[in-house]
Amino acid sequence: DIQMTQSPSSLSASVGDRVTITCRASQSISSYLNWYQQKPGKAPKLLIYAASSLQSGVPSRFSGSGSGTDFTLTISSLQPEDFATYYCQQSYSTPEITFGQGTRLEIK
Amino acid sequence: EVQLVESGGGLVQPGGSLRLSCAASGFTFSSYWMSWVRQAPGKGLEWVANIKQDGSEKYYVDSVKGRFTISRDNAKNSLYLQMNSLRAEDTAVYYCARDTDEWELLSNNWFDPWGQGTLVTVSS
Repeated sequence: DIQMTQSPSSLSASVGDRVTITCRASQSISSYLNWYQQKPGKAPKLLIYAASSLQSGVPSRFSGSGSGTDFTLTISSLQPEDFATYYCQQSYSTPEITFGQGTRLEIK
Repeated sequence: EVQLVESGGGLVQPGGSLRLSCAASGFTFSSYWMSWVRQAPGKGLEWVANIKQDGSEKYYVDSVKGRFTISRDNAKNSLYLQMNSLRAEDTAVYYCARDTDEWELLSNNWFDPWGQGTLVTVSS
């Protein structure tokens, strides 16, 4: 199985901050990496697919980069509605898809 | 509007069975692979199973193989998950999610959208 490790596991930041979340794969996954946002009690929402493509309707302050084993999700200027948990997910070994453990983004 | 609505969750004793349903609307259901993903309380996401457009291919995470069965009824725009021999560790919110519309399951796929989820609690 391909293991996905996110860092940090939790993060405190302020509105307006630039935030970066990292996801590392246990082996190369090319660019087969997706990012999701989940708010408490809600279903996950797709933000970024194929490492760097912004899903329709997602604000442009969200961006993704990386390839191989190392990937990042960046929020350029945090908004109050961005405080949530973020998950990366690899599809390289589909159908055996795996997720990272999540990064909880909290208000400082 | 693309929408997925799960139902069928509840409290079941260890060793028991439960059948989850997911009603799809707003898109051509028969054109998409579909998946079930679960989330144990306070934990992360785990892919459980997926099924091809015509039901001819099905895949499962190792921990549910032989106990869970995914199926679909394209005439009813519905996805199902039959869960047998349930264990405490199966306790989770179960989400259905739309997968790729490619005929062959390639690496370039993602889940969008997701349903609101249905809670399955396995406890005596």
